[in-house]
Amino acid sequence: AQTVTQSQPEMSVQEAETVTLSCTYDTSESDYYLFWYKQPPSRQMILVIRQEAYKQQNATENRFSVNFQKAAKSFSLKISDSQLGDAAMYFCAHTQGGSEKLVFGKGTKLTVNP
Amino acid sequence: DGGITQSPKYLFRKEGQNVTLSCEQNLNHDAMYWYRQDPGQGLRLIYYSQIVNDFQKGDIAEGYSVSREKKESFPLTVTSAQKNPTAFYLCASSPGGIGWYFGAGTRLSVL
Repeated sequence: AQTVTQSQPEMSVQEAETVTLSCTYDTSESDYYLFWYKQPPSRQMILVIRQEAYKQQNATENRFSVNFQKAAKSFSLKISDSQLGDAAMYFCAHTQGGSEKLVFGKGTKLTVNP
Repeated sequence: DGGITQSPKYLFRKEGQNVTLSCEQNLNHDAMYWYRQDPGQGLRLIYYSQIVNDFQKGDIAEGYSVSREKKESFPLTVTSAQKNPTAFYLCASSPGGIGWYFGAGTRLSVL
């Protein structure tokens, strides 16, 4: 059963503006990790940002930040000052089974318009 | 350079043939994984291994087999029983659940 849901198959943003990608997940565990991965046309999976569920503070990495709502099981990614190089597929993922496995959503295709 | 090497980059399978995808890592990670990616499906877990000589089935293991004889290597065999093997295959490794590192992938097509 699908445990990670990305409700936006495609999104677009103007260069230099901000965009938020949504992700919800389902888990009965209290301790887990959440990730956003970027997959550009080269198809190499690149880790964008990671969040530990036990940390209340939202993770940030330069222009990328998350809004982690543990009770709502929501983990959205905000990209600020969007650049053309941000255009890619973005996948949300969370660990399952005591961090043995990483489960992915179906992805959101982000287009950045000049 | 530490990382994960997948080979070949492109692979073609004939009807009834088994093919093996290579995955090697020099990151000293205990855990290794194989994922399959189809358009609109995201990544789905085929097999994973947390220690040498041990591995577990993922969500879509039918038609695939693996071995883990060395810590550095986790080859995936796509058998003739896999009727729809055309996909992009990604290998990953992890030091223990806090991050997954991926290879560049192998695209498998059927002739």
